[in-house]
Amino acid sequence: NAGVMQNPRHLVRRRGQEARLRCSPMKGHSHVYWYRQLPEEGLKFMVYLQKENIIDESGMPKERFSAEFPKEGPSILRIQQVVRGDSAAYFCASSPSSSQIGEKLFFGSGTQLSVL
Amino acid sequence: GENVEQHPSTLSVQEGDSAVIKCTYSDSASNYFPWYKQELGKGPQLIIDIRSNVGEKKDQRIAVTLNKTAKHFSLHITETQPEDSAVYFCAVRSTGGGNKLTFGTGTQLKVEL
Repeated sequence: NAGVMQNPRHLVRRRGQEARLRCSPMKGHSHVYWYRQLPEEGLKFMVYLQKENIIDESGMPKERFSAEFPKEGPSILRIQQVVRGDSAAYFCASSPSSSQIGEKLFFGSGTQLSVL
Repeated sequence: GENVEQHPSTLSVQEGDSAVIKCTYSDSASNYFPWYKQELGKGPQLIIDIRSNVGEKKDQRIAVTLNKTAKHFSLHITETQPEDSAVYFCAVRSTGGGNKLTFGTGTQLKVEL
């Protein structure tokens, strides 16, 4: 059973370009979470999605950032017009159910975004 | 929202010694407390977790204790080995926060030979 798959592992963009980060959850998992990690910092929650629905986007910047989890295919985190401050590691996690407690999150290996 | 503090930020121990990492949280309604280990260049890996109705949980050399009254929980690693060297993160889930986890700032553990 493959784990959470993220690609690309490394992404280099110039300022003003768009970045698209992909996440395929573990088999059987229908809940996806995106986190951002700055150097030597903890993980900051960005968005929580279920298939075709955004459940909680309280951690998403108001502009330039968007996320989706379509019925078919991976979840996509999209960053438009990237700036140097967007450089970070972006991690995706998935979970199998919507039970409130004891729900384990499994993380992918992340995408390191570098903005030149 | 939930606030999670983690201490120490760095911890150096001799091989075979014990390591303890502590976290405090602010929301008394929090009900799930996992610990993650992150090695360089990798994603966080769940190593142990505890629910609010349990005070202690142990898995081989790793244990977690929870004090709901004081709103703090700790990770204990006994008989440390060099492969335990990594960054450890505590996390908290609050009932009012949906299913997301709020993470501490991490502890860099170094096990020296």
